[in-house]
Amino acid sequence: AQSVTQLGSHVSVSEGALVLLRCNYSSSVPPYLFWYVQYPNQGLQLLLKYTSAATLVKGINGFEAEFKKSETSFHLTKPSAHMSDAAEYFCAVRSVKGGKLIFGQGTELSVKP
Amino acid sequence: NAGVTQTPKFQVLKTGQSMTLQCAQDMNHNSMYWYRQDPGMGLRLIYYSASEGTTDKGEVPNGYNVSRLNKREFSLRLESAAPSQTSVYFCASSEAREDPRYEQYFGPGTRLTVT
Repeated sequence: AQSVTQLGSHVSVSEGALVLLRCNYSSSVPPYLFWYVQYPNQGLQLLLKYTSAATLVKGINGFEAEFKKSETSFHLTKPSAHMSDAAEYFCAVRSVKGGKLIFGQGTELSVKP
Repeated sequence: NAGVTQTPKFQVLKTGQSMTLQCAQDMNHNSMYWYRQDPGMGLRLIYYSASEGTTDKGEVPNGYNVSRLNKREFSLRLESAAPSQTSVYFCASSEAREDPRYEQYFGPGTRLTVT
């Protein structure tokens, strides 16, 4: 069975500081991994995805994530936070065999001026 | 290109009332999904339709029914609403359910309150 754990339901950073949102997964088969962002009162939007090509994946809005098989992690980072990054972020996993998308519980990111 | 659209955006129901949430996509996607989002629980799959003419249960199907009306439209029905169904409902679509490379595209959501 697959699962996703996001460490920290709330993360607060100052504008200009590093953003680090943690995601660990559990999968018995090679996974495909996704990060989605949800702005207030909106649907989810894909930030980036890992599909077994490069382990360092670059996404939109300056975000990137690194797939580390040895640590079963897919943490999301951004070097310098912007006020507009305040949102909820979801990590999700799918098996390479297909099937449903499993979401983590979400991490709400606050950015302080 | 509107993507995935959902109606209504907000709804308040009394316990026992019924309603249908509508979803449409204009991306010619084969697969469509209904999720509910509750605080601290991420998104949970209610039902999905891998292709036109097929529907299957997800993780939390009890109390819901779905109809894949055609390739574009996928509706979710609450026959007798309960307070436990108070949630935000998202519709999503993707090219092919069984190909994991394809991401899902989400609608803006329907905020449902059952009193």
